Amino acid sequence: QVQLVQSGSELKKPGASVKVSCKASGYTFTSYAMNWVRQAPGQGLEWMGWINTNTGNPTYAQGFTGRFVFSLDTSVSTAYLQISSLKAEDTAVYYCARDPYGVDIVATSDYWGQGTLVTVSS
Amino acid sequence: QSALTQPASVSGSPGQSITISCTGTSSDVGGYNYVSWYQQHPGKAPKLMIYEVSNRPSGVSNRFSGSKSGNTASLTISGLQAEDEADYYCSSYTSSSTPLFGGGTKLTVL
Repeated sequence: QVQLVQSGSELKKPGASVKVSCKASGYTFTSYAMNWVRQAPGQGLEWMGWINTNTGNPTYAQGFTGRFVFSLDTSVSTAYLQISSLKAEDTAVYYCARDPYGVDIVATSDYWGQGTLVTVSS
Repeated sequence: QSALTQPASVSGSPGQSITISCTGTSSDVGGYNYVSWYQQHPGKAPKLMIYEVSNRPSGVSNRFSGSKSGNTASLTISGLQAEDEADYYCSSYTSSSTPLFGGGTKLTVL
């Protein structure tokens, strides 16, 4: 069965960096795009962007350029989200989510990771 | 892009039906049949309930149904049950070739 397992919660100081992992299993990793979604405390879902798992090409939504980097290690079927120069407002749960339409279009998310809470506090 | 518009909250009694609306524009909801609905219980990851406007993934109860008219999509839950109490989010593919979420609706089962 399809599973996305994310790394555990992180507590970071402002200015630090964090790397969240998302390990996929139960399907061919390079056949489906991976979305990243942010949910700030008490807030709604916000699409951050996606990565083409076949080519490694990332696309970032407005507001997620510069400090946010999506990457892959296809040898272990894992996607990564790295955030640098962390700010308090980056405190949120970050989800990876598979897009079922292959690698060329992102329109929905059928399987989600359990989420990774990143807390930024001094 | 602004989030799709959903009511902040809806409520209903067990056994009743409720409908949650999701209003966008011709550049998203009205222009594509890639509208999805997600259910999220507190502290849990979202779960896909409806995709492509009205299709249910395997395992989702047929009490959940979706539709669309013009720039507004709707999620209807019939035979409301206590376990349906959750937050619901719509999303749509957009003319920017990216998905866009709604602001979310809190469903309370009275």
